[in-house]
Amino acid sequence: DAEITQSPRHKITETGRQVTLACHQTWNHNNMFWYRQDLGHGLRLIHYSYGVQDTNKGEVSDGYSVSRSNTEDLPLTLESAASSQTSVYFCASSESLAGGKRYFGPGTRLTVT
Amino acid sequence: GNSVTQMEGPVTLSEEAFLTINCTYTATGYPSLFWYVQYPGEGLQLLLKATKADDKGSNKGFEATYRKETTSFHLEKGSVQVSDSAVYFCALSLTGAGSYQLTFGKGTKLSVIP
Repeated sequence: DAEITQSPRHKITETGRQVTLACHQTWNHNNMFWYRQDLGHGLRLIHYSYGVQDTNKGEVSDGYSVSRSNTEDLPLTLESAASSQTSVYFCASSESLAGGKRYFGPGTRLTVT
Repeated sequence: GNSVTQMEGPVTLSEEAFLTINCTYTATGYPSLFWYVQYPGEGLQLLLKATKADDKGSNKGFEATYRKETTSFHLEKGSVQVSDSAVYFCALSLTGAGSYQLTFGKGTKLSVIP
């Protein structure tokens, strides 16, 4: 069965370190997304990609970067981790933008100390 | 801008009780509306959707009707089960140039007790 996976599921890092969160999907979807989930804010879009070599900033992109070298993967990098980036991160993919159906991964809980 | 407002939680109900979770929206244009559900320790899953006014989305005993006149999309279920305990998110999406954006409400946590 097709799926979307994230790794690691839990990560503790120190302020100032570079961290990369992995996202891998086997749906063969062109569209991929990264969200962060914080209490009281719901889900907020960090970056998104419409396909290979395409990346775009979302509403909370500062301090984050992504790259898309193939269809299956969209890694999220925190260039210099800050305590404000402690959150749960969700990757998602979709076949079509119109329609709003996203397939979400299980999430990565990141703690920055 | 676009926004979604959900009722504050948490909501605690006894098994077989009636559930309503209110959702209202503000949008430029004519959005599609969604309810997503997040079970403990998992990612979000699409529960139901409606793409135009007066449409009713339904799934797993849950229903929501797209009410353009009141800009609402309230989630209902006639008889909740313990297995319905989860966080529920209302969301909207626009067509056209803004369609990459899925705007979520803050979520409503539902706990169902036996």
